[in-house]
Amino acid sequence: QQQVKQSPQSLIVQKGGISIINCAYENTAFDYFPWYQQFPGKGPALLIAIRPDVSEKKEGRFTISFNKSAKQFSLHIMDSQPGDSATYFCAAGSTGTASKLTFGTGTRLQVTL
Amino acid sequence: DTGVSQNPRHKITKRGQNVTFRCDPISEHNRLYWYRQTLGQGPEFLTYFQNEAQLEKSRLLSDRFSAERPKGSFSTLEIQRTEQGDSAMYLCASSFTSAHNNEQFFGPGTRLTVL
Repeated sequence: QQQVKQSPQSLIVQKGGISIINCAYENTAFDYFPWYQQFPGKGPALLIAIRPDVSEKKEGRFTISFNKSAKQFSLHIMDSQPGDSATYFCAAGSTGTASKLTFGTGTRLQVTL
Repeated sequence: DTGVSQNPRHKITKRGQNVTFRCDPISEHNRLYWYRQTLGQGPEFLTYFQNEAQLEKSRLLSDRFSAERPKGSFSTLEIQRTEQGDSAMYLCASSFTSAHNNEQFFGPGTRLTVL
């Protein structure tokens, strides 16, 4: 059972544009939602994370928007750069228990010149 | 470098052989996680340790898999009688988990190829 659904599977954005990746979850026990960036041959790197007590969190060019009632959250990358080209994973966890993360299937982002 | 380290980075083995991977977490991190990632998929949880205690194992972790974390420091993941379906990237992550923090930091992974 896939508990975190991620879309789109792939995304092509021009340099300077906005990249938007969406995720939806099912388990209402989830209360921690991180985004990871992964380059080929590397492990996932934590990018930004949000908890459901806020609807938005911004760090530099990266913003998470969170909609608790819809059980959806999204990553916005402003002023996308070629160096942002990577695979992005959303994830969800429950801090009250094991804290293990359930990941989405990933979005392959390509930022063109 | 004070990040999570994993060894070896790559392992090629023949079906039926045993393999062991090592993970060294960030110093003083009390939780250590193992995940498996296949091509084109997100990481899938396998097991985790709180200090030296193994507290949860996924259904993905068959009897051929065993993990240890002696003394609550480094961890090893052993796969016995490897199968071609075990080919994947094995990722280790660590965290210092408190009531308000659950940030998990991943290592570079060990890529296993079973021939």
